[in-house]
Parts: sequence; structure tokens; C-alpha cells
Amino acid sequence: GAVVSQHPSRVICKSGTSVKIECRSLDFQATTMFWYRQFPKQSLMLMATSNEGSKATYEQGVEKDKFLINHASLTLSTLTVTSAHPEDSSFYICSANPTSGFYNEQFFGPGTRLTVL
Amino acid sequence: AQSVTQLDSQVPVFEEAPVELRCNYSSSVSVYLFWYVQYPNQGLQLLLKYLSGSTLVKGINGFEAEFNKSQTSFHLRKPSVHISDTAEYFCAVKSGSGGSNYKLTFGKGTLLTVNP
Repeated sequence: GAVVSQHPSRVICKSGTSVKIECRSLDFQATTMFWYRQFPKQSLMLMATSNEGSKATYEQGVEKDKFLINHASLTLSTLTVTSAHPEDSSFYICSANPTSGFYNEQFFGPGTRLTVL
Repeated sequence: AQSVTQLDSQVPVFEEAPVELRCNYSSSVSVYLFWYVQYPNQGLQLLLKYLSGSTLVKGINGFEAEFNKSQTSFHLRKPSVHISDTAEYFCAVKSGSGGSNYKLTFGKGTLLTVNP
């Protein structure tokens, strides 16, 4: 149980295009999902907290208009990188916090490797 | 505010040797502590967690950690490592009360390399 999936696992796009990454909790409901960014050989940096049915809360320094987050249901959150540029290339990881049960844990997705050419 | 310090960025060891990965945290309130493992190009997998109760926590893959409140530490240990334990290990802390909306603060990670 407590599986989180991400799609796609890897994406390569041209500079200026937009990319959407999906994060799904497969066997539990998640009121809250988190989006992280990880640069090579570095730790995870929290980008935003996504709450179902409301606007996401972005961390300081993260551009809201650049990284659009939509948490439309209790099992799905999406991150759209708009007008992507090479500096947006990174490993993006989502996590989900169960609505009930293991509410003190976060379950992580496998990550999405974004490469912007 | 909470913070996590992983004292070693890299730890090389030989196979079957014991290992300890160090983690110290700072928080003004009660804490929940976690260790995660990340294999190359993968997400994070929970190794173990401390929420309350016994300070010695056992996790998967033979790992264990001890919560030491006076030293604000949560060091990860394994008595005998395998080649397959080679990975990045992250210590994380969440402080305050329970609830579905909280943030984890991660350390910078420790790369454990197990050599034959």
C-alpha cells in the first residue's frame, strides 16, 4: 500500500515549451501533496505544497507563474513547467500525505527527470 | 524553524563492515525523524522513522537508528553492509503536532559507497 506514481518518468523538451508532470496516489487519498526539486548530488528542495481544492503554497524563491500546480482531486496533483528553459532541467519528485492513517508520513513518487534542450 | 545536519557528505566502507551515518537536528518543539534512501535516478524510500516511544528504531534492510534527545541526534547504523546498500541517504525532520499538512526538512544527504 501507499504507492505514489509519477508520469512521465523522463521527458526531454525544447526550450520554450511547457511540460506537465503528474503525481498520483494509487491506493490512498491525499489531501496534501508536495513537489520537490533535486539537482545532481544535492538534497531535495521543497518547491510547493499542494492542497486539494485550493491554491498551492509556494516556497520562497519559487516562481508561481513558472511552476503551475493543480491539485484537482484527492489522488492527483500536476506540476506544469511553463516555457521551460535549460536551467529548469532537474529531477522533480512528488510526495503525498495520506488523509488518514499514516498522517505523519510522506510517500514519495519515483521522480521525473526533465531535460530542457 | 527546524534544520537537519548530516555531518558526512560521503562515507566509503568495505563490504560486511559496520557503518554509522550521522544526523543532528535542531527544533524547538517535539520532532518526528526519518531516514530515507535514494538509489540513482529513483525517488525516496523510507528506511525507518521515529514518531514516539522506544528510542531505538528498527527499519528495513537491517538498518536501525537511535533517537537521542539530549544530543539532538538520530544516527543511522547497520552492523554489516552489502554492496547493494550503496546509495544516498537522507535524514529528515518534521516538528510540531500531527496532521496532514506539514513539511519535511531534509539534510544534504550522505553518499554511502560500499566497496568489495
